[in-house]
Amino acid sequence: QQKVQQSPESLTVSEGAMASLNCTFSDRSSDNFRWYRQHSGKGLEVLVSIFSDGEKEEGSFTAHLNRASLHVFLHIREPQPSDSALYLCAVSATSSGQKLVFGQGTILKVYL
Amino acid sequence: EAAVTQSPRSKVAVTGGKVTLSCHQTNNHDYMYWYRQDTGHGLRLIHYSYVADSTEKGDIPDGYKASRPSQENFSLILELASLSQTAVYFCASSDVRVEQYFGPGTRLTVL
Repeated sequence: QQKVQQSPESLTVSEGAMASLNCTFSDRSSDNFRWYRQHSGKGLEVLVSIFSDGEKEEGSFTAHLNRASLHVFLHIREPQPSDSALYLCAVSATSSGQKLVFGQGTILKVYL
Repeated sequence: EAAVTQSPRSKVAVTGGKVTLSCHQTNNHDYMYWYRQDTGHGLRLIHYSYVADSTEKGDIPDGYKASRPSQENFSLILELASLSQTAVYFCASSDVRVEQYFGPGTRLTVL
């Protein structure tokens, strides 16, 4: 069964510094990867979806996928205090009907 | 724009009571999902459905039933609510290979 782990559990960065979040998965047939942001008490906002090895950029968010090493990263360029939130990684595989398996999340805090 | 709505948005239930959470989508999507989220954690899949009148068990189905009476509507039923089912519940819809669209969530508190 797919297992998705995120690290670190929490991360504090200053405004404008790069923030890097890590997500590891266990199913090598995984082919669909997403990063979501969730502000406290709110719903999920999709930030970036990636389906093949390499990088994909959406605004200040860049996802980097390396399926051989079972890692997908999220880099946030010049984060602002409004980016303080819970960040969730979600992984799915066509072979399992595209059911999303979520990591436990990384809490990001951005200070001035 | 894709739309998934949930009702109620918040509910307080008593232990042993029956709770029904409703989800409605106007995306014309075949797939619908129910997840639960415990404070500060990711989402876990409870039940899902590929087509009306059919439901499938997800990763944590115990204590929950689901009903898909039409393409647009998907309900989650707690026949005997328990304290451990206090959580936020999210519904989502998707088509194959398309983004899952999430509803705003229902905060359920069981006392």
